[in-house]
Amino acid sequence: EAQVTQNPRYLITVTGKKLTVTCSQNMNHEYMSWYRQDPGLGLRQIYYSMNVEVTDKGDVPEGYKVSRKEKRNFPLILESPSPNQTSLYFCASSFNSIPSSGPAGTQYFGPGTRLTVL
Amino acid sequence: AQTVTQSQPEMSVQEAETVTLSCTYDTSESDYYLFWYKQPPSRQMILVIRQEAYKQQNATENRFSVNFQKAAKSFSLKISDSQLGDAAMYFCAYRSASGRGNKLIFGTGTLLAVQP
Repeated sequence: EAQVTQNPRYLITVTGKKLTVTCSQNMNHEYMSWYRQDPGLGLRQIYYSMNVEVTDKGDVPEGYKVSRKEKRNFPLILESPSPNQTSLYFCASSFNSIPSSGPAGTQYFGPGTRLTVL
Repeated sequence: AQTVTQSQPEMSVQEAETVTLSCTYDTSESDYYLFWYKQPPSRQMILVIRQEAYKQQNATENRFSVNFQKAAKSFSLKISDSQLGDAAMYFCAYRSASGRGNKLIFGTGTLLAVQP
């Protein structure tokens, strides 16, 4: 089954304790991205990756790191989490380009990770 | 920079009736893509429908259709014969056809309630 998986689904941690949220896709997508969802703000992009070893900042990258060593995996790292990073996080993947027709380019989302930083 | 606005934080519809969710966007680009995503209580983001800006024909997917007005920069979602399972948060999203990355720019969402 084609899917994007995230782990953990729920995480409660304390300020300053490093954590990693994993993301994996089995669709051979080049593009992967992390978003955070906050009430009244919709979803905002944190980081994205166009392919292996190619990553770049999104709109709200402060406090986050990413890596893309394998095509299927794109972990999100919080080196020193703070309470303002309490949020719902989504990983998404797609092919890089949208052709004139067909599903390529449409982003598929993981199930979300609810993070609480105390 | 592109922006997406959903001016209806909440909407309500009776089961079997029709409801329209509004979305406007701002962009200086001529080629782009627009999407509606559904987020039920499970929090999963589910693609409902997509529209390519270069297509004049409005996209349809079963009970879901859009009214795409490019000149007005409007992209509304119509849900016909509403069902209880349609209750969810709905997000409108924009994606540039050019530039680096496939970033989606989201609106703030409309929470749809379906009354039995």
